[in-house]
Order: sequence, then C-alpha cells, then structure tokens
Amino acid sequence: EVQLVESGGGLVKPGGSLRLSCAASGFTFTNAWMTWVRQAPGKGLEWVGRIRSETDGGTTDYAAPVKGRFTISRDDSKHTLYLQMNSLKTEDTAVYYCTTGGTYYGYWGQGTLVTVSS
Amino acid sequence: SYELTQPPSVSVSPGQTASITCSGNKLGDKYAFWYQQKSGQSPVLVIYEDNKRPSGIPERFSGSNSGNTATLTISGTRAMDGADYYCQAWDRSNVVFGGGTKLTVL
Repeated sequence: EVQLVESGGGLVKPGGSLRLSCAASGFTFTNAWMTWVRQAPGKGLEWVGRIRSETDGGTTDYAAPVKGRFTISRDDSKHTLYLQMNSLKTEDTAVYYCTTGGTYYGYWGQGTLVTVSS
Repeated sequence: SYELTQPPSVSVSPGQTASITCSGNKLGDKYAFWYQQKSGQSPVLVIYEDNKRPSGIPERFSGSNSGNTATLTISGTRAMDGADYYCQAWDRSNVVFGGGTKLTVL
C-alpha cells in the first residue's frame, strides 16, 4: 500500500523558513518523480513544484510564485521528499500535499498545514 | 501562463448525469486529468490521460477532451459523488490546475 506522510508544518512569521518532509513507502521511491501541491484555506489546488528521479536527472521545476524561495530535494536512501521554504509570505499559508508523479498525481498524502502570520 | 477555467458550481439530481467542463487554449492537444476532493480529505485521481480510470474508480466516471474543452461526466450520479472536482493539465515544464467545480447532488 502506498503511503505518503507529510510533516514539518506549523506557524511561522513572514520572512521565516520551514522545511517540510514527506516519508514515502509502498512503492519504488527511487524511480518516482515527486511533486508538492498546496491548497490555501478555502481555495483550489496549486502546483508548487516537482523533482525528477535521479535516473532522470534529479532536476526540479517550480511554479513562478515560489521560484527562488522554495527548494525541493530528495533522499532516496531514506525514501523521503523535502520542501525547503524560505522568505515565507502570508500568501504561502496553505495545506501542503506530497504526491507521486511528475505530470499527474496518483497518490496524495494527508497534507501538512503551514501558516505564515505575524 | 497557461490557464484552465471551470464553472464554480454544478448541480445535479441523484441518478442523473453530471457534466463538468474545463476550458483551456488548445486543451485537446494536451492530456487532461481530473481529481475529486471531498470535504476535509486529500484529492483523489478519477480520470487520467483524458479518459482513463484508475483502479477502483467506478465506471460511472468518464472523461473526454477535444478542441478547447475537457469534460468530466458522471453517469447515474450518487449522493456520495458530491465533492469539489479539479481538472489539471501540463504545459511545458509547468503543471496547471483549474479553479475547481463544486458538484452538488440534490
């Protein structure tokens, strides 16, 4: 059974940093492209960015609103995906979901809430 | 940047057919994907590559995509199908979601 468990969310002040983690199991993580998607309270889904598998180069793509501030990385030895978020803004407040896939998303975690507020 | 447009809400009576549209420039030249999100839950993929159903998704869910519009169709709609539905496509190196449609079954 595929499981994706996000952690690391919480309350942070504007300008602060936070690192989210996503522990994956039940599939071959090493071969998987992985993606972060977020959802602001009461709003729709927003793609944040993705990372390719190492065999496909391990490169990343980001949405314009987070480019230069967020960094996606992976540790294949730990089957874990990360999202480093710097220079956080109030508009980054959202539930952050870890998902499998690069172009569409078959499995989703339960999400972790990030609140950016002073 | 590429945009996908969905109607904010659609209503349907139980047992009837619900159609949710998703519009984007030359969307028919891309693949469309659909997700269902019930209140307080994570999204679930219900249609991929325009018209394919993942394992476990009921046959009453179907999809089509042509021209500038992709359509999610739910035949014989049940009360349990009430949810938010999001279309999604990818363009170059970016992935785009539609704004979502709230399906009310009444």
